[in-house]
Amino acid sequence: GAGVSQSPRYKVAKRGQDVALRCDPISGHVSLFWYQQALGQGPEFLTYFQNEAQLDKSGLPSDRFFAERPEGSVSTLKIQRTQQEDSAVYLCASSLEDRAADTQYFGPGTRLTVL
Amino acid sequence: AQSVAQPEDQVNVAEGNPLTVKCTYSVSGNPYLFWYVQYPNRGLQFLLKYITGDNLVKGSYGFEAEFNKSQTSFHLKKPSALVSDSALYFCAVRDRAGTALIFGKGTTLSVSS
Repeated sequence: GAGVSQSPRYKVAKRGQDVALRCDPISGHVSLFWYQQALGQGPEFLTYFQNEAQLDKSGLPSDRFFAERPEGSVSTLKIQRTQQEDSAVYLCASSLEDRAADTQYFGPGTRLTVL
Repeated sequence: AQSVAQPEDQVNVAEGNPLTVKCTYSVSGNPYLFWYVQYPNRGLQFLLKYITGDNLVKGSYGFEAEFNKSQTSFHLKKPSALVSDSALYFCAVRDRAGTALIFGKGTTLSVSS
C-alpha cells in the first residue's frame, strides 16, 4: 500500500524566504510527527499531531517554525524567514494509533537548502 | 534525559560474516526500542522493535536484535551479511510516556564482497 509521501523532495530557498513542506501520511493513521535531520546526525523531533490536534511542539526550534494538520490528514510544516541553519532534511512520520509502542513509518523527506 | 548512543560511526564486515551494530540507551523506566535503516536519499525504513517479552527480537531482512536490560543495550545483529545491507542504521528509544523517538547518531554499515 501507499506509504508516507512528502513534497517537494528538494527545496532551495534564499535566506529570508518562507517555505512550506507537505506531508501525506498513511491513510487512517492517527498520529503524525515531524523530525529534522541535520547532515550526519540522527533525526530530531519537532512536533506531534493526534488527528488535527497539535499535542507536542516542544521540538520546534523557534517561533519561525509552524505546523498544522487542519483536517487530521495532510500536514504542512512552514518555516518563515529561513536561515542557513534551517538547512536539513525534514522527515514526516505517521503511526496508526497514539500508543508509545506503535511503529512510526517515515516518508522520504524534504531536503531544504537555504542559501 | 533520554539518550541513545551508537558508539561506532562505521562498521566494516565482509559478505557472509556475522555483523553487529551496537546501541546503548538511557531512559527512565521500561523503554520501547527501535531500529531503522536509511538508504541514500530515502527515508527511514523500520527494521524491528522491542516492546516486551522475549529479549531476542526478529525483524525484516534477516535482522535481529537482543534487548539487555542490565546493560541497557539493544544491539542489532545478522548472522550473514549481504553487500545490499550496506546503509546507515539508526537506533531509537521512546519511553512509555513519551511522544518522540530519540535517535542515535547512526552507524554506517559497509559490507564488502
